[in-house]
Amino acid sequence: DVKVTQSSRYLVKRTGEKVFLECVQDMDHENMFWYRQDPGLGLRLIYFSYDVKMKEKGDIPEGYSVSREKKERFSLILESASTNQTSMYLCASSLSLYEQYFGPGTRLTVT
Amino acid sequence: QQQVKQSPQSLIVQKGGISIINCAYENTAFDYFPWYQQFPGKGPALLIAIRPDVSEKKEGRFTISFNKSAKQFSLHIMDSQPGDSATYFCAASGKDDYKLSFGAGTTVTVRA
Repeated sequence: DVKVTQSSRYLVKRTGEKVFLECVQDMDHENMFWYRQDPGLGLRLIYFSYDVKMKEKGDIPEGYSVSREKKERFSLILESASTNQTSMYLCASSLSLYEQYFGPGTRLTVT
Repeated sequence: QQQVKQSPQSLIVQKGGISIINCAYENTAFDYFPWYQQFPGKGPALLIAIRPDVSEKKEGRFTISFNKSAKQFSLHIMDSQPGDSATYFCAASGKDDYKLSFGAGTTVTVRA
């Protein structure tokens, strides 16, 4: 069965902290994605990766960076967390151009 | 701005009724249109998808209708059940494009 796991379901951080969100997939997928989900805005793509050490900016990359050192793991980094980064963060992976498999999400609160 | 506009934001339907969610797009390069379903506390999951070479696709009680000239597509949930209560997202992507552009989402509540 397909599985995408995220390191935390809930996270509370202070403004200015460096935050790491981890995502692991067990499907040997080439592509991995990070989205943020906000009410009324849907899912917005932050970054995606189509291979190890390869990354591309999505629609809202400002304030974020990513790391993909191994095929199964894709990390989202908030270099200096701000309150406007309080959101639900979703990781996804895909083998083909089409179906994306999502993790359960991490609800991040920045105070 | 969002490349895919979705409406309504929420809807309530009685058990057995029909739920209809509409999406519109401007980018004529889009050629793949999936719908994702998300239950509370879970990530979205692919429900059904359509390519523009067909006008309708049906899987069980879920049907996508696609109008290429109007650049619109919609999801119909027939005989809605309480277990269908979820948030539904339409999305679109271009040919050979890994990225999906999502709509804002519609929260469907089915009353027993």
